[in-house]
Amino acid sequence: DAEITQSPRHKITETGRQVTLACHQTWNHNNMFWYRQDLGHGLRLIHYSYGVHDTNKGEVSDGYSVSRSNTEDLPLTLESAASSQTSVYFCASSEMPNEKLFFGSGTQLSVL
Amino acid sequence: QKEVEQNSGPLSVPEGAIASLNCTYSDRVSQSFFWYRQYSGKSPELIMSIYSNGDKEDGRFTAQLNKASQYVSLLIRDSQPSDSATYLCAVNAGGTSYGKLTFGQGTILTVHP
Repeated sequence: DAEITQSPRHKITETGRQVTLACHQTWNHNNMFWYRQDLGHGLRLIHYSYGVHDTNKGEVSDGYSVSRSNTEDLPLTLESAASSQTSVYFCASSEMPNEKLFFGSGTQLSVL
Repeated sequence: QKEVEQNSGPLSVPEGAIASLNCTYSDRVSQSFFWYRQYSGKSPELIMSIYSNGDKEDGRFTAQLNKASQYVSLLIRDSQPSDSATYLCAVNAGGTSYGKLTFGQGTILTVHP
């Protein structure tokens, strides 16, 4: 069965370190998204991609970057981790931009 | 003003009752509307989508959309304890926001036996 997987599930890091969260989908979806979820804020869009070599900034993109070298993967990099980036991160994909999002299981990131 | 706002909750209803979840949005050109359910510690899953004014029913769930009032709601009939979760309203504005969803902060629903 097709799926979307995130790794690691949990990550603890120190401020100032570079961290990369992986997202891999086997749906063959062109559209991929990264969200963060914090109490009281719901899900907020960090970056998104509509296809290979396409990347776009979301509403909370500062301090994050993504690259899309193939259809399956959209890794999220925190250039220099900050305590404010402690959050749960969800990767999602969709076949059509206005259609159902398929979410990964999430990554709980703690920056100490 | 937040772009997508949900009734603050938490909402508690007895088993068998109707749960009513509400959402308002600020962008008048919004085109697509979704309700996601999220169990504690899990990822969101889509339960309803609605694109035009009126009601859309799927089993015990009914989504209602009123674009003039910029209002979308979700009704859960015959609520069950298994419906206890956080419900997220999501809106897509279309245009330059094509493909991007804006989520509300979520409403926690508890259905007690």
